[in-house]
Amino acid sequence: QKEVEQNSGPLSVPEGAIASLNCTYSDRGSQSFFWYRQYSGKSPELIMSIYSNGDKEDGRFTAQLNKASQYVSLLIRDSQPSDSATYLCAGDQGGKLIFGQGTELSVKP
Amino acid sequence: DAGITQSPRHKVTETGTPVTLRCHQTENHRYMYWYRQDPGHGLRLIHYSYGVKDTDKGEVSDGYSVSRSKTEDFLLTLESATSSQTSVYFCAISESGSPGNEQFFGPGTRLTVL
Repeated sequence: QKEVEQNSGPLSVPEGAIASLNCTYSDRGSQSFFWYRQYSGKSPELIMSIYSNGDKEDGRFTAQLNKASQYVSLLIRDSQPSDSATYLCAGDQGGKLIFGQGTELSVKP
Repeated sequence: DAGITQSPRHKVTETGTPVTLRCHQTENHRYMYWYRQDPGHGLRLIHYSYGVKDTDKGEVSDGYSVSRSKTEDFLLTLESATSSQTSVYFCAISESGSPGNEQFFGPGTRLTVL
């Protein structure tokens, strides 16, 4: 089983700062990557998908993919207390998503 | 939750009893998935379906079976529940498989096996 790894955190940032979440993967065949946000007691919510090298921006979120180095990152600009959640990274392996264990983010007012 | 419901939302049962969890979607998506989420293990795939009557095993399929007789319904059955199957179970759906495999999750079922 190929792996997706994330630092479990918690990652604490002050309100208004940039939060940087990182993920590495072992399967070079993975083509698609996804970031999910999960609030405590809730289900995962898809916030970003990225399929090609480089950056993809959506509002305050930027996903970055570097296939040569096998890492994926998520930047959250102007972090808000409402961004406090666990962020899950997932990579597609032949139609199945393999999830990292998630990084807990805490944004302090 | 993208037109996905799960039932029941909470269930407490005893070891050795059969349990069936239901996932229902109104999006007409082809792919459906069952995951379990446990502290320290993250989300793990149990079984998935790529069409009516077409299913396959995931990473942690032992002790579980599935059925899909209609596009909108995907059932997960624990034939004889064990305490190790205490978990939160999530259903997910996807319009396409690899590579654009954007999956959307249902609200989850919290299962406790005593």
